[in-house]
Amino acid sequence: DADVTQTPRNRITKTGKRIMLECSQTKGHDRMYWYRQDPGLGLRLIYYSFDVKDINKGEISDGYSVSRQAQAKFSLSLESAIPNQTALYFCATFPARSGYNEQFFGPGTRLTVL
Amino acid sequence: KQEVTQIPAALSVPEGENLVLNCSFTDSAIYNLQWFRQDPGKGLTSLLLIQSSQREQTSGRLNASLDKSSGRSTLYIAASQPGDSATYLCAVLNTGNQFYFGTGTSLTVIP
Repeated sequence: DADVTQTPRNRITKTGKRIMLECSQTKGHDRMYWYRQDPGLGLRLIYYSFDVKDINKGEISDGYSVSRQAQAKFSLSLESAIPNQTALYFCATFPARSGYNEQFFGPGTRLTVL
Repeated sequence: KQEVTQIPAALSVPEGENLVLNCSFTDSAIYNLQWFRQDPGKGLTSLLLIQSSQREQTSGRLNASLDKSSGRSTLYIAASQPGDSATYLCAVLNTGNQFYFGTGTSLTVIP
């Protein structure tokens, strides 16, 4: 089983709809991140969370909200989707900052907003 | 704000060649640097992680170096193979707990 899973893997929706993307992890990491990837722009950080009670805005949080329901679950919501939110969305996890620590990524969710 | 740049944006080489991918960053106050591989439409696979106190890391045909003072990292791929074709991304973790990514180098290895 994958360590970091994302659902759905693909989603097509219409402008104005509310969308939730979900991320679950079995790695036991405290830190979780949401990124979006656009061609030519690389990955940009939307929100990150260090634990259930610690949520922080990233570089491009406008239009998005998140919920950390448990250590293992971190959801990203688009309250009213717009076409320029069409992108590939990734969830990632990261352990505490000690030792040899890597980010681990989920497989991504491809979101299309029409 | 940390800026991460990867040059070249695209690279095409014949099979068997050794090659170097470059990553530069503007703020040297980093905690670590990580190289990833991404296949089209897929997630990111971690290749190598270099802590800020390290100079290089090796895994198989891959060697990554880090010169924190000059804000540079390189990923060396030896004896390239068609299966190495992918986009390679570098990411730095700032002491402010955020990751910053480059836009990647798209590598094509021609059989």
